[in-house]
Amino acid sequence: EAQVTQNPRYLITVTGKKLTVTCSQNMNHEYMSWYRQDPGLGLRQIYYSMNVEVTDKGDVPEGYKVSRKEKRNFPLILESPSPNQTSLYFCASSSQGRRGYGYTFGSGTRLTVV
Amino acid sequence: GESVGLHLPTLSVQEGDNSIINCAYSNSASDYFIWYKQESGKGPQFIIDIRSNMDKRQGQRVTVLLNKTVKHLSLQIAATQPGDSAVYFCAEISANQAGTALIFGKGTTLSVSS
Repeated sequence: EAQVTQNPRYLITVTGKKLTVTCSQNMNHEYMSWYRQDPGLGLRQIYYSMNVEVTDKGDVPEGYKVSRKEKRNFPLILESPSPNQTSLYFCASSSQGRRGYGYTFGSGTRLTVV
Repeated sequence: GESVGLHLPTLSVQEGDNSIINCAYSNSASDYFIWYKQESGKGPQFIIDIRSNMDKRQGQRVTVLLNKTVKHLSLQIAATQPGDSAVYFCAEISANQAGTALIFGKGTTLSVSS
């Protein structure tokens, strides 16, 4: 089954403790992206990647890092999480680049930073 | 700044009625629009898309209308069913955007009662 898999689904952590949210897709998509979703603010893009070793900032990249060493994986890294990063995170991939054709989203990771 | 937004945060309809969800965008350079459906606990799911060279596109029970003159987008759902209850987002992309991909509106919550 074609899908985007995020792990973990739920995570509670403390301020300053580094964490990684993994994202993997099995569709051989070149384009991958991370969004955060907050009440009243909708979905905002954090980082995106056009291909292996090609990443760039989205609208809200502060406090986040990403890497794209393999085509299928696009982990989101929070080096020193803070409470304002408490949010619902979605990874997405697309076969058609940034224009969003055929976007497939993961099921989300709900992160709480205390 | 330029943004995509929805007119109403919530919409309540009776089962069997037709639903109309509206979206206004401000970037006249936007050339591609998508409607997504997000059910509770899940990631956004692609519903239908439309390019700026079209003013109407139909899918199964859904129709998207685009009025470029007033920069307005709408999603019409025919014979609304309880399973249509979800948050609906419009998203746009502009041909002149060098970085970010889809820009999402804040969403409309559709509630369908039996």
